[in-house]
Amino acid sequence: NAGVTQTPKFQVLKTGQSMTLQCAQDMNHEYMSWYRQDPGMGLRLIHYSVGAGITDQGEVPNGYNVSRSTTEDFPLRLLSAAPSQTSVYFCASSYIGQGRNTEAFFGQGTRLTVV
Amino acid sequence: GDSVTQMEGPVTLSEEAFLTINCTYTATGYPSLFWYVQYPGEGLQLLLKATKADDKGSNKGFEATYRKETTSFHLEKGSVQVSDSAVYFCALSDPGGGSYIPTFGRGTSLIVHP
Repeated sequence: NAGVTQTPKFQVLKTGQSMTLQCAQDMNHEYMSWYRQDPGMGLRLIHYSVGAGITDQGEVPNGYNVSRSTTEDFPLRLLSAAPSQTSVYFCASSYIGQGRNTEAFFGQGTRLTVV
Repeated sequence: GDSVTQMEGPVTLSEEAFLTINCTYTATGYPSLFWYVQYPGEGLQLLLKATKADDKGSNKGFEATYRKETTSFHLEKGSVQVSDSAVYFCALSDPGGGSYIPTFGRGTSLIVHP
């Protein structure tokens, strides 16, 4: 039972490079989201999806793109990396179960450094 | 919109001390409430949850009670251990208010000394 899998775990990019952070879940959850975690800022929502083909912006979407072609996958694309995007990125999935339970399941994170 | 406010850290305690981490929320609907824990170098994992008023969530000696009248969900533990050192996040989800994705507080770092 893999849960939420993120790759890579670590990445160093040069300013201006692009890359894709991968996220996959095997729990058939409808909802998926990307957060960034910075010291003193908690978790900030970048983009989210409520189902295949449906995405929306969160609190800090600039510089990032997402797509959701399948229920399982929700990749995050950095279009042109900037030092301000140095952060730890977390992918999460969640669902609405009985009793309005919407527990989120998190991946292990991707630590990104932009130099 | 929905929001979660939790006490700033770090909270530094000696082993076997009593722990309280305060959390209050605002929500347009009737939210479910959660506490997540993040150990160093890891992702977040659910610690406990409550889905309606007066529910008490509990796990690993931690407890939190859903108080609708004070919009609070404070985390408590009677006797902390060094292994409890981590960052704790209070969160809510509010499907009735249109928020299917959890909203998190800023996190509170707990450091427990032997």
